[in-house]
Amino acid sequence: AAGVIQSPRHLIKEKRETATLKCYPIPRHDTVYWYQQGPGQDPQFLISFYEKMQSDKGSIPDRFSAQQFSDYHSELNMSSLELGDSALYFCASSLGSGPNEKLFFGSGTQLSVL
Amino acid sequence: AQKVTQAQTEISVVEKEDVTLDCVYETRDTTYYLFWYKQPPSGELVFLIRRNSFDEQNEISGRYSWNFQKSTSSFNFTITASQVVDSAVYFCALTPYGQNFVFGPGTRLSVLP
Repeated sequence: AAGVIQSPRHLIKEKRETATLKCYPIPRHDTVYWYQQGPGQDPQFLISFYEKMQSDKGSIPDRFSAQQFSDYHSELNMSSLELGDSALYFCASSLGSGPNEKLFFGSGTQLSVL
Repeated sequence: AQKVTQAQTEISVVEKEDVTLDCVYETRDTTYYLFWYKQPPSGELVFLIRRNSFDEQNEISGRYSWNFQKSTSSFNFTITASQVVDSAVYFCALTPYGQNFVFGPGTRLSVLP
């Protein structure tokens, strides 16, 4: 069965550069969530989209932006990268945005900022 | 504000032992949802269980069982007859709606052969 696909799997950037992370949800899933997990930390909710509209916002820095496209894939754009942005970025998708919908996580993008 | 506490940072057990992972949560919402996720060494997050605040019935799924006690704001997870493949970080999570979770800090479980 198709799962949530994130690309790239690994990304290395330098300070002040920009990065774009992509997420392809499970087919027919209309809701996408982004989480950030720092080294040894628990995942932190960043932002979510339902039917291409932002549905909720968490601890996402102003330097980051995200959107969901007409094919439901989502991109997380990160500018002016800082060392502290080094983390594992998870995307998750579900069919519908309610808590009763099962959330499926991708394998994550490991971002390293040097 | 919501908060999830997992007091056990790391637990080591020998294979076939039973182990309980504790989760205590704080929320002012009357309706909320609790989850457990497993993060194996490969890094992905694997859904284990979801519970809503109105359903205090305990659940058993194979070697896994969950004890939800609203009176003590706890949602503990027990693995019976643990196996090496159970070695992972386990996260308890809470949300009042949607799936914008507040995760606990996680408990690293090591099951030794």
